[in-house]
Amino acid sequence: AQTVTQSQPEMSVQEAETVTLSCTYDTSESDYYLFWYKQPPSRQMILVIRQEAYKQQNATENRFSVNFQKAAKSFSLKISDSQLGDAAMYFCAYRSGNAGGTSYGKLTFGQGTILTVHP
Amino acid sequence: DSGVTQTPKHLITATGQRVTLRCSPRSGDLSVYWYQQSLDQGLQFLIQYYNGEERAKGNILERFSAQQFPDLHSELNLSSLELGDSALYFCASSALLARDATGELFFGEGSRLTVL
Repeated sequence: AQTVTQSQPEMSVQEAETVTLSCTYDTSESDYYLFWYKQPPSRQMILVIRQEAYKQQNATENRFSVNFQKAAKSFSLKISDSQLGDAAMYFCAYRSGNAGGTSYGKLTFGQGTILTVHP
Repeated sequence: DSGVTQTPKHLITATGQRVTLRCSPRSGDLSVYWYQQSLDQGLQFLIQYYNGEERAKGNILERFSAQQFPDLHSELNLSSLELGDSALYFCASSALLARDATGELFFGEGSRLTVL
């Protein structure tokens, strides 16, 4: 079974600075997807960024970018120019790409990292 | 707005009782997932349905059951409730088709269950 580990329960950053959230995963599959979701105090789950394992290029969405190291099974999220609205719980998630597998479709989440942004 | 609708948003009940949580997926999505999030915890996968059939099961208790109806809405039934069942229950949906290249799940706002 796949597992996702976020080793940083809490992180903090000054407004306008850059912060990196870590995530590692364990899988024997070669085809999969990785995601970062944000959960603000409203508790809504919001997709931040996604990465397809077959793509070598790191995904970028405005101020959010990832460092995907497939061999190391590492998937970190970098937030640049941090804003107060970035304060939230961030979850890393894994999805199998094996359409025939019983786990196809569902996301496996890490335990989350609480990000605090200081003004 | 994700397009996924969950009701009720909040529910308070007593131990031993039974509740039903309802989810309407995004228009066109055939796959529905249920997740449980206890206080300050990650999301634990409960169960997945695809076009009316159970597709995958996680650590779902025997006291819990779910189903997906022909109109694709889903219900999660929680019975013989215990204090530890207090949590935020999320429903999510996805297209889950061969041509689906995104893979993301779209989440509802959750149903917060409090068992007293």
